[in-house]
Amino acid sequence: AQRVTQPEKLLSVFKGAPVELKCNYSYSGSPELFWYVQYSRQRLQLLLRHISRESIKGFTADLNKGETSFHLKKPFAQEEDSAMYYCALSGYNTDKLIFGTGTRLQVFP
Amino acid sequence: EPEVTQTPSHQVTQMGQEVILRCVPISNHLYFYWYRQILGQKVEFLVSFYNNEISEKSEIFDDQFSVERPDGSNFTLKIRSTKLEDSAMYFCASSTGGKTQYFGPGTRLLVL
Repeated sequence: AQRVTQPEKLLSVFKGAPVELKCNYSYSGSPELFWYVQYSRQRLQLLLRHISRESIKGFTADLNKGETSFHLKKPFAQEEDSAMYYCALSGYNTDKLIFGTGTRLQVFP
Repeated sequence: EPEVTQTPSHQVTQMGQEVILRCVPISNHLYFYWYRQILGQKVEFLVSFYNNEISEKSEIFDDQFSVERPDGSNFTLKIRSTKLEDSAMYFCASSTGGKTQYFGPGTRLLVL
């Protein structure tokens, strides 16, 4: 079954602390993985995708095929990182995105 | 920067009524999508649309749902006879086909 699991509904950290938002997936084949972010009262927007291998706003994510994970990390959280973060996957022959349930990140001053 | 727009932002309807949710995708995009998110649940794929036809649909997208691109700019989702369980946030998205999808702000539908 195709599935994305984000085990944490809420993650609270203080400014400057490291952040890791967990994402595990289940997919038979080679999926493409994404992180989308939704800031308060704003639309879903792409944060990063695994094939780009880039760092956006200090966030990185590495695809670990052995552990079927795509955790999102940032070494030093900022207050403006507070948002809802969704992990998603897309398969080889499809455009549809399969989302996880999301993790709310709260960064306290 | 161009954005996907959706109207209305909120809609309240009675069970059994038809609703049409409207989206204006980014102008040079060719692939269009609808997703929904029931309160407290995950974002779920409904349908994808390319070249004036449905390219993929989920189990949720039954005969009560239809999509249309009535002109060169709008992309609509119609629910023929709404049910209570259709209450959700509906998101439109568009892409150039390169897998990065750009989402609209959503329409919150409440069925009473």
